Amino acid sequence: KAGVTQTPRYLIKTRGQQVTLSCSPISGHRSVSWYQQTPGQGLQFLFEYFSETQRNKGNFPGRFSGRQFSNSRSEMNVSTLELGDSALYLCASSEKDRGRAFFGQGTRLTVV
Amino acid sequence: QKEVEQNSGPLSVPEGAIASLNCTYSDRGSQSFFWYRQYSGKSPELIMSIYSNGDKEDGRFTAQLNKASQYVSLLIRDSQPSDSATYLCAVPMDSSYKLIFGSGTRLLVRP
Repeated sequence: KAGVTQTPRYLIKTRGQQVTLSCSPISGHRSVSWYQQTPGQGLQFLFEYFSETQRNKGNFPGRFSGRQFSNSRSEMNVSTLELGDSALYLCASSEKDRGRAFFGQGTRLTVV
Repeated sequence: QKEVEQNSGPLSVPEGAIASLNCTYSDRGSQSFFWYRQYSGKSPELIMSIYSNGDKEDGRFTAQLNKASQYVSLLIRDSQPSDSATYLCAVPMDSSYKLIFGSGTRLLVRP
């Protein structure tokens, strides 16, 4: 099976812009979660989608949003980018076992 | 108090030694526990899962769980330089798919 695919791998954006990141989960996996990883805060949970519904949300401002499509592919959007949004954004897909998450390679976002 | 705590390290061990990585968690109701390995510049990779008290072995890796003490550990036997990475402990929150990660322990295996 193909792994979790995230696009793009790298992004450079300017403060105030918005960005959309994409994630294609492993075939058959219906749960997709997004995480932000920074050196200072580590891995922080953003949100989780299952069958196009957001089931869980982390403690991030409303500028962070996401959605899931009927084919389980997911996107996350960050509006009005701030310098502090610079991070590695990781997508993970899961099948049944809640902890068995498989991560994509991540999108490295740099806000300048 | 953080929900999942790990010593950030670095933990330095010589090649061939046993590396012991520790993790404590706050939620007494937690039922499953996971160890992820993350190489520098790469994404986390699941290496071990454990659900019941005691030990679980997989090759050179052994996960140990003590629910009464809210403690989970990962032992790496015959450590190799290729084991040098950050090891993340993760616990699902509230029986959901939301994983709470520790800050990770950086392991350095000296040749």
